Amino acid sequence: DADVTQTPRNRITKTGKRIMLECSQTKGHDRMYWYRQDPGLGLRLIYYSFDVKDINKGEISDGYSVSRQAQAKFSLSLESAIPNQTALYFCATSDLGTGQETQYFGPGTRLLVL
Amino acid sequence: SQQGEEDPQALSIQEGENATMNCSYKTSINNLQWYRQNSGRGLVHLILIRSNEREKHSGRLRVTLDTSKKSSSLLITASRAADTASYFCATDSTGANSKLTFGKGITLSVRP
Repeated sequence: DADVTQTPRNRITKTGKRIMLECSQTKGHDRMYWYRQDPGLGLRLIYYSFDVKDINKGEISDGYSVSRQAQAKFSLSLESAIPNQTALYFCATSDLGTGQETQYFGPGTRLLVL
Repeated sequence: SQQGEEDPQALSIQEGENATMNCSYKTSINNLQWYRQNSGRGLVHLILIRSNEREKHSGRLRVTLDTSKKSSSLLITASRAADTASYFCATDSTGANSKLTFGKGITLSVRP
């Protein structure tokens, strides 16, 4: 969905490096999410934010941090990357103003940690 | 932990056949949603069914919900090769600040 963009789309990094994945949205949604996807494990929630001043840990937040710089921007950082953080990362947004939690996903960032 | 569990994990059918995918969940829900993911791409919302609904249609998609059994099914009729993708159910649980919980997904292959 072009309304939710992620940069970079692909990233190779080394163990111990700090990296940042960025997400921007033009949908005007308050809620933003970061997920990781691993083969056979589906989507797992890392962090989520219901508005600019709200940050919440998800299912697997250890080793990650986030920053909600503005309504439209939500960044995910890996403080010290490790190989088992190799995965496909997705940002998503939703608007509870519609009365239902339908999420809109970015195209994903494929991360490889060597 | 995942709320939704899809079944089967993988499904291979011939073009033109119907594809049925199932999802079971554990706790009370506001609604249940189905998403589609083409290989390596972001998920796309397909259809949402509320907890007080039993069946819903959208084009070739038919979703049912049985809250007494905590289960849902997604039927794709007259499948096409372009329907080849992974399909995920997601539950929106009751309670304040609810958020979606996704299952592990079903891989559907439609042979031309």
